[in-house]
Amino acid sequence: AAGVIQSPRHLIKEKRETATLKCYPIPRHDTVYWYQQGPGQDPQFLISFYEKMQSDKGSIPDRFSAQQFSDYHSELNMSSLELGDSALYFCASPYGGVEGDGYTFGSGTRLTVV
Amino acid sequence: AQSVTQLGSHVSVSEGALVLLRCNYSSSVPPYLFWYVQYPNQGLQLLLKYTTGATLVKGINGFEAEFKKSETSFHLTKPSAHMSDAAEYFCAVSVGSNYKLTFGKGTLLTVNP
Repeated sequence: AAGVIQSPRHLIKEKRETATLKCYPIPRHDTVYWYQQGPGQDPQFLISFYEKMQSDKGSIPDRFSAQQFSDYHSELNMSSLELGDSALYFCASPYGGVEGDGYTFGSGTRLTVV
Repeated sequence: AQSVTQLGSHVSVSEGALVLLRCNYSSSVPPYLFWYVQYPNQGLQLLLKYTTGATLVKGINGFEAEFKKSETSFHLTKPSAHMSDAAEYFCAVSVGSNYKLTFGKGTLLTVNP
């Protein structure tokens, strides 16, 4: 079965550079959630989209922005990168059609800021 | 706002022993509860979930959890640990029609031969 695809799997950037992370949800799924997981930390909700509109916002820095496109893929843009942005970034795609049915996570993008 | 507390950041068991990972939640409305497993450098995989209905939930790999409203708990158990169960386990909660998950801090399960 098709899963959630994230690219790239690994990314190394220098401080103050910009990074773009991509997420391709399960086909025909119109909702995407982004999470950030720092080293040894639990995942923290960043932002979500439904039908190409932002639906919720969490602890996302102002340096970060995201959008969802017409094909429902989403991109997380991160500018002025800081060492503390080094983390695993997941996107998730709800499935099941039942409220609170959980969702499928991508394998994540590991961002390292040096 | 909802929250999750996982008791014990590290649990160590012997192969074949009972696994018990504790999770307590706080929510002002009926919650949806989840357990996820994460292997090193991998994504999060859903083990099981409670939404409505039966309070004893069976998941993959022989895991199960029981939703106890009176105790605000959703502990994860497995009768007999296997070496392949060694991983990080996260309890999570969501409420209402919002799929946003709030995670606990995670419990690292070590299985000793």
